[in-house]
Amino acid sequence: DAKTTQPNSMESNEEEPVHLPCNHSTISGTDYIHWYRQLPSQGPEYVIHGLTSNVNNRMASLAIAEDRKSSTLILHRATLRDAAVYYCILRDGSSGSARQLTFGSGTQLTVLP
Amino acid sequence: NAGVTQTPKFRILKIGQSMTLQCTQDMNHNYMYWYRQDPGMGLKLIYYSVGAGITDKGEVPNGYNVSRSTTEDFPLRLELAAPSQTSVYFCASSYEDRVSPLHFGNGTRLTVT
Repeated sequence: DAKTTQPNSMESNEEEPVHLPCNHSTISGTDYIHWYRQLPSQGPEYVIHGLTSNVNNRMASLAIAEDRKSSTLILHRATLRDAAVYYCILRDGSSGSARQLTFGSGTQLTVLP
Repeated sequence: NAGVTQTPKFRILKIGQSMTLQCTQDMNHNYMYWYRQDPGMGLKLIYYSVGAGITDKGEVPNGYNVSRSTTEDFPLRLELAAPSQTSVYFCASSYEDRVSPLHFGNGTRLTVT
């Protein structure tokens, strides 16, 4: 799987939007962009994924750059419960990819009250 | 709505002891995975299974064994525990292996002393 680059940490104020960036300059045409988050003492939790178009779900929005070399996870109103490590991952949709998933160090999001 | 259930939650082993980490899922997923997460690090794949009776090695399989006799269960066996196996172990499952989200358990925290 292609590599991703994320900032080690970010801070946000409660009830404000948060934009978590991810760079993936070597992304291939069949790579899907997935985001997971890991709350303290829990397993990772799926957040959202997309291929080319921006995506929205009840948890977040995913904005994908036109050249697909970067993406941004958007939390519209951060709450204290959103404090977690956020992982940006690429999965090759053309082949068995979960077995090669690479969870890097992610971005530690701190939400300030 | 159980999802992926892991037992035990915590365990302390002496060097050389063995144990089995249990994982069961009730979503009828064919694909199951075992990851380990060392402090402050991302997840590394130990073993995975694409269906009952079929298993294969991941990135860090040494010191571990798995079996998959049913769709629901995917136990991880540690033989001759070593301090290097001190970690948090996560089991996950997915519907298929390309795009479907992974569903994770809440982990087993293992200490080998």
